Amino acid sequence: EVQLVESGGGLVKPGGSLRLSCAASGFSFSDAWMSWVRQAPGKGLEWLGRIRSETDGGTADYAAPVKGRFTISRDDSRHTLYLQMNSLKTEDTAVYYCTSEDIVWGQGTLVTVSS
Amino acid sequence: DIVMTQSPLSLPVILGQPASISCRSSQSLVYSDGNTYLSWFQQRPGQSPRRIIYKVSNRDSGVPDRFSGSGSGTDFTLRISRVEAEDVGVYYCMQGTHWQTFGQGTKLEIK
Repeated sequence: EVQLVESGGGLVKPGGSLRLSCAASGFSFSDAWMSWVRQAPGKGLEWLGRIRSETDGGTADYAAPVKGRFTISRDDSRHTLYLQMNSLKTEDTAVYYCTSEDIVWGQGTLVTVSS
Repeated sequence: DIVMTQSPLSLPVILGQPASISCRSSQSLVYSDGNTYLSWFQQRPGQSPRRIIYKVSNRDSGVPDRFSGSGSGTDFTLRISRVEAEDVGVYYCMQGTHWQTFGQGTKLEIK
């Protein structure tokens, strides 16, 4: 079964850090471009960034609101995508989704930034 | 950055009637390879998003043929020929020509 499962969400204080994981199965993870998208409570979808496959360079692009604070990485041997989030702000509170080439989506993991 | 603007933001529709959502981009979505990377996503209540249309007019696998996409350049439309109860949710357009940007979303409800 093609599947993405996010984990690592939770409650964190402003200024803190958190690392999200996204475990992939059922498809060729190493060939896929992977993205992170978030959705604040009651709001729309916001693209955060993506990472290319290693064969396409393995580099990442980021949306302006998170550039310099968030880092996307991947471990193809573990079929896992990561999102390292630093200097978190209250406005980063959202459900975070990983997606493989916009076709496969995870169920999301909730990150709450609050004191 | 490319800005995506959807209208309407709220769409009450009678069951069995057609529905249409407009999406406009702040600049052309034609990529250097000649393709136009405009997708539509459906998000049912409590669920993750699901892509239903890619490259303007191509339906994803399993998507009913009552859904269709059209447009070019900066103006795009998602049409549902006859709305069914399972179509309730929020619909987003997304450009993938220059990184990715979503529209604000259009909430479709049954009138």
